[in-house]
Amino acid sequence: QVQLVESGGGLVKPGGSLRLSCAASGFPFSDYYMSWIRQAPGKGLEWVSYISSSRTYTDYADSVRGRFTISRDNAKNLLSLQMNSLRAEDTAVYYCARVRQWLVEDRYHYGMDVWGQGTTVTVSS
Amino acid sequence: AIQMTQSPSSLSASVGDRVTITCRASQDIRNDLGWYQQKPGKAPDLLIYAASSLQSGVPSRFSGGGSGTDFTLTITSLQPEDFATYYCLQDYNYPRTFGQGTKVEIK
Repeated sequence: QVQLVESGGGLVKPGGSLRLSCAASGFPFSDYYMSWIRQAPGKGLEWVSYISSSRTYTDYADSVRGRFTISRDNAKNLLSLQMNSLRAEDTAVYYCARVRQWLVEDRYHYGMDVWGQGTTVTVSS
Repeated sequence: AIQMTQSPSSLSASVGDRVTITCRASQDIRNDLGWYQQKPGKAPDLLIYAASSLQSGVPSRFSGGGSGTDFTLTITSLQPEDFATYYCLQDYNYPRTFGQGTKVEIK
């Protein structure tokens, strides 16, 4: 079945680094854009980053730009998020999600239709 | 970045009630908006895309409307499984931005 499984979360000290992974299965991974979204404890959802299907395009939330790098390996069906210079405010559950595209009235629309279960990142000394 | 403002932040309702949640964008986003439902400890689920298109498998009691800057998510006849937090998300441009969420609680 269609599935996304995140891994790599854990406890890290401020200023440290962590690499998250998201293993995809059950669908043609290389056909889809992918995103990372996070949720701090007791808070709302925050979009973090996306990468296009062929890795040509990426973008980031201002809060992580310059510190986080999204990447993908289409041969391995793997999405990654390299997180450097981590701060306490990066503490959150990190979700990967598949970005689906629909053509509605001659315009493309996007939505995240498949999500992983999340991996927890805690930044604390 | 486009700011998305949801109202109310929370509401109490009874099973069978009609509930409407509002999302306002800080600029015109046409109909580039989705709605997500999140239950405690779970990942979000996509309900609506393109402001008013129902995602496959989502019950028809959910509906979305609006365009430009003002959008609504309506749940007709609230069911026990609908008590959750709802978020809007603009897909007009990057960076994508979520509303702050609306928690629907049992009265």
